[in-house]
Amino acid sequence: EAQVTQNPRYLITVTGKKLTVTCSQNMNHEYMSWYRQDPGLGLRQIYYSMNVEVTDKGDVPEGYKVSRKEKRNFPLILESPSPNQTSLYFCASSFEDGEAFFGQGTRLTVV
Amino acid sequence: AQSVTQPDIHITVSEGASLELRCNYSYGATPYLFWYVQSPGQGLQLLLKYFSGDTLVQGIKGFEAEFKRSQSSFNLRKPSVHWSDAAEYFCAVGPRGGSYIPTFGRGTSLIVHP
Repeated sequence: EAQVTQNPRYLITVTGKKLTVTCSQNMNHEYMSWYRQDPGLGLRQIYYSMNVEVTDKGDVPEGYKVSRKEKRNFPLILESPSPNQTSLYFCASSFEDGEAFFGQGTRLTVV
Repeated sequence: AQSVTQPDIHITVSEGASLELRCNYSYGATPYLFWYVQSPGQGLQLLLKYFSGDTLVQGIKGFEAEFKRSQSSFNLRKPSVHWSDAAEYFCAVGPRGGSYIPTFGRGTSLIVHP
């Protein structure tokens, strides 16, 4: 089954404690991206990747890092999380036409 | 830069009534256009997409959308809404200057009254 898998689904952490949210896709897509979703703000792109070892900033990259060492994986790293990064995060992969396939989301709370 | 505007933050309809959700885009060329639905606690699911050809596109769950180049719009419609259609709806434009990553609107929350 074609899917994008994110882990964990829910995470509560403390300010400053490094965390990683994993994302994996099994569709051999070259394009992957991370979004955060906040009430009233819709989906905002954090980072995206066009291929292995190729990443670029989206609209709200501050406080986040990503890596793309393999085609299927695109982890999101928060090296020093802060409360304003409390949000719902989605990973997506897409074809060249831009049709995106989304993970189930990760609800992150930073206290 | 491409952008997507969904002018309605919330839409309330009665079950059985017709529905139209608005989407306007800004893009330098003919875009690819998408509508996604997000049910509570779920990820986003593709409803329908427009690449080229017939400007009226049929999707899943009885939804359709019409691409109007002159108005830069891609409005989503459904003739009779069901209570299970209550969800968040996102319009998207892709690709972004060759990055092939879509740009999303802020979403419209659909509330369905019995």
